[in-house]
Amino acid sequence: KQEVTQIPAALSVPEGENLVLNCSFTDSAIYNLQWFRQDPGKGLTSLLLIQSSQREQTSGRLNASLDKSSGRSTLYIAASQPGDSATYLCAVRQDTDKLIFGTGTRLQVFP
Amino acid sequence: EPEVTQTPSHQVTQMGQEVILRCVPISNHLYFYWYRQILGQKVEFLVSFYNNEISEKSEIFDDQFSVERPDGSNFTLKIRSTKLEDSAMYFCASSTGLTDTQYFGPGTRLTVL
Repeated sequence: KQEVTQIPAALSVPEGENLVLNCSFTDSAIYNLQWFRQDPGKGLTSLLLIQSSQREQTSGRLNASLDKSSGRSTLYIAASQPGDSATYLCAVRQDTDKLIFGTGTRLQVFP
Repeated sequence: EPEVTQTPSHQVTQMGQEVILRCVPISNHLYFYWYRQILGQKVEFLVSFYNNEISEKSEIFDDQFSVERPDGSNFTLKIRSTKLEDSAMYFCASSTGLTDTQYFGPGTRLTVL
Protein backbone atom coordinates (compact mmCIF):
# COMPACT_ATOMS: atom_id res chain seq x y z
CA LYS A 1 0.00 0.00 0.00
CA GLN A 2 1.40 3.37 -1.04
CA GLU A 3 2.34 5.69 1.82
CA VAL A 4 3.32 9.31 1.21
CA THR A 5 5.28 11.17 3.87
CA GLN A 6 6.31 14.80 4.03
CA ILE A 7 9.13 16.13 6.17
CA PRO A 8 9.29 18.48 7.92
CA ALA A 9 5.72 18.82 9.15
CA ALA A 10 6.30 22.51 9.77
CA LEU A 11 8.92 25.03 8.78
CA SER A 12 9.44 28.66 9.72
CA VAL A 13 12.00 30.71 7.81
CA PRO A 14 12.89 34.39 7.33
CA GLU A 15 12.02 36.07 4.09
CA GLY A 16 14.57 35.63 1.31
CA GLU A 17 15.72 32.15 2.24
CA ASN A 18 15.87 29.34 -0.27
CA LEU A 19 14.18 26.24 1.09
CA VAL A 20 13.51 22.62 0.30
CA LEU A 21 10.41 20.61 1.11
CA ASN A 22 10.61 16.84 1.00
CA CYS A 23 8.15 14.18 -0.10
CA SER A 24 8.76 10.42 0.17
CA PHE A 25 6.69 7.57 -1.18
CA THR A 26 7.03 3.88 -0.43
CA ASP A 27 6.11 2.38 -3.82
CA SER A 28 8.18 3.69 -6.73
CA ALA A 29 5.65 2.48 -9.32
CA ILE A 30 4.04 5.88 -9.85
CA TYR A 31 2.70 7.56 -12.98
CA ASN A 32 3.19 11.10 -11.76
CA LEU A 33 3.59 13.34 -8.73
CA GLN A 34 1.84 16.62 -8.14
CA TRP A 35 2.68 19.42 -5.71
CA PHE A 36 -0.08 21.60 -4.32
CA ARG A 37 -0.41 24.62 -2.13
CA GLN A 38 -3.25 24.90 0.40
CA ASP A 39 -4.07 28.12 2.20
CA PRO A 40 -5.94 27.82 5.54
CA GLY A 41 -9.54 26.78 5.00
CA LYS A 42 -9.13 26.94 1.24
CA GLY A 43 -8.84 24.63 -1.73
CA LEU A 44 -5.74 23.12 -3.30
CA THR A 45 -3.81 25.07 -5.89
CA SER A 46 -1.77 22.93 -8.26
CA LEU A 47 1.85 24.07 -8.44
CA LEU A 48 3.71 21.50 -10.51
CA LEU A 49 3.12 18.10 -12.08
CA ILE A 50 6.03 15.76 -12.74
CA GLN A 51 5.48 12.72 -14.92
CA SER A 52 7.33 9.54 -13.95
CA SER A 53 9.64 9.93 -16.96
CA GLN A 54 10.71 13.43 -15.93
CA ARG A 55 13.39 14.46 -13.48
CA GLU A 56 12.24 17.98 -12.73
CA GLN A 57 9.79 20.76 -13.47
CA THR A 58 10.12 24.49 -12.94
CA SER A 59 7.61 27.27 -12.55
CA GLY A 60 8.91 30.69 -11.58
CA ARG A 61 10.64 30.43 -8.20
CA LEU A 62 9.54 26.82 -7.78
CA ASN A 63 11.48 23.77 -8.88
CA ALA A 64 10.33 20.23 -8.22
CA SER A 65 12.53 17.19 -8.72
CA LEU A 66 11.64 13.53 -8.82
CA ASP A 67 13.83 10.51 -8.06
CA LYS A 68 11.40 7.69 -8.66
CA SER A 69 13.78 4.86 -7.89
CA SER A 70 14.49 6.21 -4.41
CA GLY A 71 10.88 7.25 -3.82
CA ARG A 72 11.58 10.94 -3.29
CA SER A 73 10.59 14.33 -4.57
CA THR A 74 11.70 17.76 -3.44
CA LEU A 75 10.11 21.15 -3.91
CA TYR A 76 12.65 23.95 -3.97
CA ILE A 77 11.40 27.47 -3.30
CA ALA A 78 13.84 30.23 -4.16
CA ALA A 79 13.92 33.59 -2.40
CA SER A 80 10.94 32.85 -0.17
CA GLN A 81 8.35 35.56 0.48
CA PRO A 82 5.68 35.98 3.19
CA GLY A 83 3.09 35.25 0.52
CA ASP A 84 4.55 31.74 0.19
CA SER A 85 3.21 30.92 3.67
CA ALA A 86 0.82 27.98 3.25
CA THR A 87 0.68 24.21 3.57
CA TYR A 88 2.40 22.37 0.75
CA LEU A 89 1.08 18.95 -0.23
CA CYS A 90 2.51 16.32 -2.51
CA ALA A 91 0.41 13.60 -4.07
CA VAL A 92 1.26 10.59 -6.23
CA ARG A 93 -0.77 8.78 -8.82
CA GLN A 94 -0.25 5.10 -9.51
CA ASP A 95 -2.09 2.89 -11.99
CA THR A 96 -5.45 4.10 -10.75
CA ASP A 97 -7.40 7.35 -11.02
CA LYS A 98 -6.76 8.62 -7.52
CA LEU A 99 -4.12 10.87 -6.05
CA ILE A 100 -2.60 9.67 -2.78
CA PHE A 101 -1.70 12.62 -0.60
CA GLY A 102 0.95 13.27 2.00
CA THR A 103 0.23 15.03 5.28
CA GLY A 104 1.81 18.27 4.14
CA THR A 105 4.45 20.73 5.26
CA ARG A 106 3.17 23.90 6.89
CA LEU A 107 5.44 26.76 5.83
CA GLN A 108 5.64 30.14 7.46
CA VAL A 109 7.83 32.83 5.95
CA PHE A 110 8.26 35.83 8.23
CA PRO A 111 9.37 39.32 7.17
CA GLU B 1 -8.05 31.22 -16.27
CA PRO B 2 -10.71 28.50 -16.02
CA GLU B 3 -11.46 27.27 -12.50
CA VAL B 4 -13.38 24.52 -10.80
CA THR B 5 -16.20 26.05 -8.78
CA GLN B 6 -18.14 24.52 -5.90
CA THR B 7 -21.35 25.42 -4.09
CA PRO B 8 -22.18 25.93 -1.34
CA SER B 9 -18.97 27.00 0.39
CA HIS B 10 -20.37 25.84 3.73
CA GLN B 11 -23.25 23.47 4.45
CA VAL B 12 -24.61 22.72 7.89
CA THR B 13 -27.00 19.80 8.23
CA GLN B 14 -28.57 17.57 10.83
CA MET B 15 -27.47 13.96 11.15
CA GLY B 16 -29.57 11.72 8.93
CA GLN B 17 -30.38 14.43 6.40
CA GLU B 18 -29.46 14.26 2.72
CA VAL B 19 -27.05 16.77 1.24
CA ILE B 20 -26.03 17.51 -2.32
CA LEU B 21 -22.71 19.16 -2.99
CA ARG B 22 -22.32 20.80 -6.37
CA CYS B 23 -19.36 21.33 -8.62
CA VAL B 24 -18.78 22.87 -12.01
CA PRO B 25 -15.61 21.34 -13.48
CA ILE B 26 -13.44 23.08 -16.06
CA SER B 27 -15.39 22.96 -19.30
CA ASN B 28 -13.14 20.86 -21.56
CA HIS B 29 -12.17 18.37 -18.86
CA LEU B 30 -13.27 14.77 -19.12
CA TYR B 31 -12.37 13.29 -15.74
CA PHE B 32 -14.04 14.36 -12.50
CA TYR B 33 -13.20 13.53 -8.91
CA TRP B 34 -14.36 14.00 -5.36
CA TYR B 35 -11.96 14.06 -2.44
CA ARG B 36 -12.50 14.91 1.20
CA GLN B 37 -10.32 16.21 4.01
CA ILE B 38 -11.34 15.67 7.61
CA LEU B 39 -9.93 18.43 9.79
CA GLY B 40 -6.27 17.80 10.52
CA GLN B 41 -6.07 14.73 8.29
CA LYS B 42 -4.86 13.92 4.79
CA VAL B 43 -6.86 14.59 1.67
CA GLU B 44 -8.58 11.31 0.75
CA PHE B 45 -9.92 10.12 -2.59
CA LEU B 46 -13.61 9.28 -2.77
CA VAL B 47 -14.55 8.67 -6.38
CA SER B 48 -13.65 9.34 -9.99
CA PHE B 49 -16.10 9.72 -12.87
CA TYR B 50 -15.55 9.42 -16.60
CA ASN B 51 -17.84 9.00 -19.57
CA ASN B 52 -20.92 9.29 -17.37
CA GLU B 53 -20.03 6.50 -15.03
CA ILE B 54 -17.98 5.84 -11.94
CA SER B 55 -14.46 4.90 -12.93
CA GLU B 56 -13.08 4.14 -9.48
CA LYS B 57 -14.24 4.49 -5.89
CA SER B 58 -12.61 4.12 -2.51
CA GLU B 59 -13.79 2.06 0.42
CA ILE B 60 -15.13 5.29 1.94
CA PHE B 61 -17.56 5.66 -0.96
CA ASP B 62 -20.25 3.32 0.31
CA ASP B 63 -23.94 3.08 -0.53
CA GLN B 64 -24.79 6.37 1.16
CA PHE B 65 -22.76 8.24 -1.46
CA SER B 66 -23.65 8.80 -5.08
CA VAL B 67 -22.41 11.01 -7.89
CA GLU B 68 -24.14 12.37 -10.91
CA ARG B 69 -23.49 14.58 -13.90
CA PRO B 70 -27.05 15.81 -14.45
CA ASP B 71 -26.18 18.07 -17.38
CA GLY B 72 -23.17 19.12 -19.41
CA SER B 73 -21.67 21.31 -16.74
CA ASN B 74 -22.53 20.17 -13.21
CA PHE B 75 -21.11 17.30 -11.19
CA THR B 76 -22.76 16.47 -7.88
CA LEU B 77 -22.01 14.42 -4.80
CA LYS B 78 -25.00 13.25 -2.79
CA ILE B 79 -24.78 11.92 0.74
CA ARG B 80 -28.04 10.18 1.49
CA SER B 81 -28.10 10.02 5.27
CA THR B 82 -25.35 12.08 6.80
CA LYS B 83 -23.38 10.96 9.84
CA LEU B 84 -21.31 12.99 12.26
CA GLU B 85 -18.15 11.51 10.77
CA ASP B 86 -19.06 12.90 7.33
CA SER B 87 -18.09 16.35 8.59
CA ALA B 88 -15.19 17.37 6.38
CA MET B 89 -14.10 19.61 3.55
CA TYR B 90 -15.19 18.10 0.23
CA PHE B 91 -13.17 18.95 -2.84
CA CYS B 92 -14.16 18.49 -6.44
CA ALA B 93 -11.43 18.18 -9.06
CA SER B 94 -11.21 17.73 -12.80
CA SER B 95 -8.60 16.89 -15.41
CA THR B 96 -8.35 16.57 -19.17
CA GLY B 97 -6.86 13.11 -18.96
CA LEU B 98 -5.81 10.58 -16.34
CA THR B 99 -2.13 11.54 -16.54
CA ASP B 100 -2.81 15.26 -16.47
CA THR B 101 -2.93 17.82 -13.69
CA GLN B 102 -5.96 17.56 -11.44
CA TYR B 103 -7.42 20.99 -10.75
CA PHE B 104 -9.24 21.39 -7.47
CA GLY B 105 -12.14 23.58 -6.49
CA PRO B 106 -12.24 25.71 -3.32
CA GLY B 107 -14.16 23.06 -1.40
CA THR B 108 -17.42 22.75 0.48
CA ARG B 109 -17.15 22.57 4.24
CA LEU B 110 -19.80 20.13 5.45
CA THR B 111 -20.76 20.24 9.12
CA VAL B 112 -23.05 17.50 10.41
CA LEU B 113 -24.69 18.23 13.76
